[in-house]
Amino acid sequence: QKEVEQNSGPLSVPEGAIASLNCTYSDRVSQSFFWYRQYSGKSPELIMSIYSNGDKEDGRFTAQLNKASQYVSLLIRDSQPSDSATYLCAAKTGANNLFFGTGTRLTVIP
Amino acid sequence: NAGVTQTPKFQVLKTGQSMTLQCAQDMNHNSMYWYRQDPGMGLRLIYYSASEGTTDKGEVPNGYNVSRLNKREFSLRLESAAPSQTSVYFCASMGSAGETQYFGPGTRLLVL
Repeated sequence: QKEVEQNSGPLSVPEGAIASLNCTYSDRVSQSFFWYRQYSGKSPELIMSIYSNGDKEDGRFTAQLNKASQYVSLLIRDSQPSDSATYLCAAKTGANNLFFGTGTRLTVIP
Repeated sequence: NAGVTQTPKFQVLKTGQSMTLQCAQDMNHNSMYWYRQDPGMGLRLIYYSASEGTTDKGEVPNGYNVSRLNKREFSLRLESAAPSQTSVYFCASMGSAGETQYFGPGTRLLVL
């Protein structure tokens, strides 16, 4: 199993719907997780970090961490066309490096 | 603050040529990283530098060398470019708090 695995999608949702992005991780990573958004041709930018079990909300974004099941998810409420991007899940290792998933491409259809 | 800057933005090389990708950050971060991003492969760590004067191999170091010139600058060198090194290269930095990595705009490299 890779350190971080994502469903590569693509994922399409209508405008206004909830987009759900999922990621699983292995025992080889630590307990710090990050979601990055990457627009086409641009560099990744951090949108959410989560370290504790449960939910963390920031505006329309909610990150969820379930340590027992080893998964982390990102929910985007009221999806907008501007949310169309590739979303990368990342987990920190003990050496303070990040392992990235392969990314999920999200398209929000107006 | 410019954040993380990379040069060049785009480069075309012939097989066997060498080049150095430059990266600089003005956030006084200790850690710096070089990644490559290929379709369907996500971001893969090539080399990293946890502090000035130290460098370590990441997941895919073969064919690359790095230099941490000072706290601000971290360069990536391809000694003899191969078509398999065609990719987008990102430099990133992270502060001692380890909250997040900040990425540069990327260098698109095509090796013919």
